[in-house]
Amino acid sequence: AQKITQTQPGMFVQEKEAVTLDCTYDTSDPSYGLFWYKQPSSGEMIFLIYQGSYDQQNATEGRYSLNFQKARKSANLVISASQLGDSAMYFCAMTQYNNNDMRFGAGTRLTVKP
Amino acid sequence: DSGVTQTPKHLITATGQRVTLRCSPRSGDLSVYWYQQSLDQGLQFLIQYYNGEERAKGNILERFSAQQFPDLHSELNLSSLELGDSALYFCASSLEGARGPREQYFGPGTRLTVT
Repeated sequence: AQKITQTQPGMFVQEKEAVTLDCTYDTSDPSYGLFWYKQPSSGEMIFLIYQGSYDQQNATEGRYSLNFQKARKSANLVISASQLGDSAMYFCAMTQYNNNDMRFGAGTRLTVKP
Repeated sequence: DSGVTQTPKHLITATGQRVTLRCSPRSGDLSVYWYQQSLDQGLQFLIQYYNGEERAKGNILERFSAQQFPDLHSELNLSSLELGDSALYFCASSLEGARGPREQYFGPGTRLTVT
């Protein structure tokens, strides 16, 4: 069974600094995908970044990068140059290639301080 | 804007009632997923449809059912509602490629309150 763990219920970061949100996962399937989503207070789920298990390089999307360490089964999200608008809940999620059941972690609430 | 639409945005109903939530996927996406987000259970996958056929089932109660129509829109039916069914219900869609599912794009959600 697949499992996603986010151990940081809340994180604070100063505006313009970088922050790392932790995510570990567990699966016996060698083929899987890892995702990060942002949920602002308005409630919508916004897709941020994707990493495939066979991808050789860490995914990057603008200020977001995914620190993928396959042997450690971790997929940490790094947000560079934090902005006030980055304050939100962040969810790590995973699917297996033959199973579309997307599993989510409990989420991390990020607060960016001015 | 993800391109996924959901109606209604808010729904308030009484215990024992039945409601229907509607979702239209992004143009070109064949897969539709339903999720429930509640404070105690977090985000849970309910069910997936692909091009009109049920493809995967998660933690969906027997009182809940879904279908996907030929125009690819989907409906989630919740019946015999209980107070514990109060939650935010998301629909998501994705374009499935040869290497399996990719990112799912979420609609704005329907907030259901059962009183």
